[in-house]
Amino acid sequence: AQKITQTQPGMFVQEKEAVTLDCTYDTSDQSYGLFWYKQPSSGEMIFLIYQGSYDEQNATEGRYSLNFQKARKSANLVISASQLGDSAMYFCAMEAHGNQFYFGTGTSLTVIP
Amino acid sequence: DAGVIQSPRHEVTEMGQEVTLRCKPISGHNSLFWYRQTMMRGLELLIYFNNNVPIDDSGMPEDRFSAKMPNASFSTLKIQPSEPRDSAVYFCASRWTGASNQPQHFGDGTRLSIL
Repeated sequence: AQKITQTQPGMFVQEKEAVTLDCTYDTSDQSYGLFWYKQPSSGEMIFLIYQGSYDEQNATEGRYSLNFQKARKSANLVISASQLGDSAMYFCAMEAHGNQFYFGTGTSLTVIP
Repeated sequence: DAGVIQSPRHEVTEMGQEVTLRCKPISGHNSLFWYRQTMMRGLELLIYFNNNVPIDDSGMPEDRFSAKMPNASFSTLKIQPSEPRDSAVYFCASRWTGASNQPQHFGDGTRLSIL
């Protein structure tokens, strides 16, 4: 069975500091994709970053980077230089079985001024 | 570029009424997904379509829920009859499956309240 686990229901970070949001996954597929989404209090789901299972380099998108450790089956999101606008729910998702997405339960991030 | 468009944004109706949620995917996307989000159950996949064909509807709660995709630019999710436990935010998402790095793009959701 495919599974995504986010063990941190809530996280706090000081403004301008970096924060890591944890995500572990379980799949028997060799080919899969990992995605992170942000959901602010306004409710929309915003795509942040993607990592493919065959990608050797960790993905980066601006202040977002993905710490991909394949052997440990983890795909942690790192947000550098946190801003107040980063306060939101963050969801990790895995695509496996061709087009089927599996979402974690999310982590609520609060940035403290 | 227009994103995924959902309507209505908010719906309040009484128990027993029929509810129809609508979705227009991004042009060129060949997959469409319906999700339900609640505090208790998180984000649940209800059904998804590939090339307008339903592929997996195992997440549809019961026979009161039905979804259609008559063409590549329109989908509906219908609840009949509605119950208070159906209150949730319903998201539609679309995706182009031509490349593995393509994300699902979400609409803004429909906030449904059944009284």
